[in-house]
Amino acid sequence: GENVEQHPSTLSVQEGDSAVIKCTYSDSASNYFPWYKQELGKRPQLIIDIRSNVGEKKDQRIAVTLNKTAKHFSLHITETQPEDSAVYFCAAANTGTASKLTFGTGTRLQVTL
Amino acid sequence: NAGVTQTPKFRILKIGQSMTLQCTQDMNHNYMYWYRQDPGMGLKLIYYSVGAGITDKGEVPNGYNVSRSTTEDFPLRLELAAPSQTSVYFCASGTSRETQYFGPGTRLLVL
Repeated sequence: GENVEQHPSTLSVQEGDSAVIKCTYSDSASNYFPWYKQELGKRPQLIIDIRSNVGEKKDQRIAVTLNKTAKHFSLHITETQPEDSAVYFCAAANTGTASKLTFGTGTRLQVTL
Repeated sequence: NAGVTQTPKFRILKIGQSMTLQCTQDMNHNYMYWYRQDPGMGLKLIYYSVGAGITDKGEVPNGYNVSRSTTEDFPLRLELAAPSQTSVYFCASGTSRETQYFGPGTRLLVL
């Protein structure tokens, strides 16, 4: 089955700096890659996703890139703000055959003033 | 739409007791999921369903059971609660095999 590794497990950046979180996946047939943000004590919420036919996707200060050859994808947050502090989870799925997402282990992002 | 709702929000169980965690969605989603999240850890899939009457095991199904008699409801049953089942339980739903919308979670403490 699919295996997703996520790095780093914790990340501390100063407000205004950029943050990058990386994930690798094992199943070359995976074609859907979402990112979820979970604030302390809250539910995970989808913030951005990318499909395998696209190399990059942006939404304001966040972007996701996908390298299918290397089987890795990354979340980029620019101009970080204190409200970006949260745990971020990547996930992968082969939507053609699987009905579930495989999640990474999460990255705790701390944005300091 | 209320989205995905879960009850109760918090529950304390004694070892050996049983309970049902309720999950309801009003978005007519076919796909529903149960996850557990231990403190400071990631999400582990317990069970999932691709439609009414169809359920399948995730990566950590032992000690749990599910049923899916309607599109809206996907209850999770804990039999013989153990301290290892102390966790936060999230229900999620989606229209496809892609985007999942999570409920607010149920915090369970087994003592």
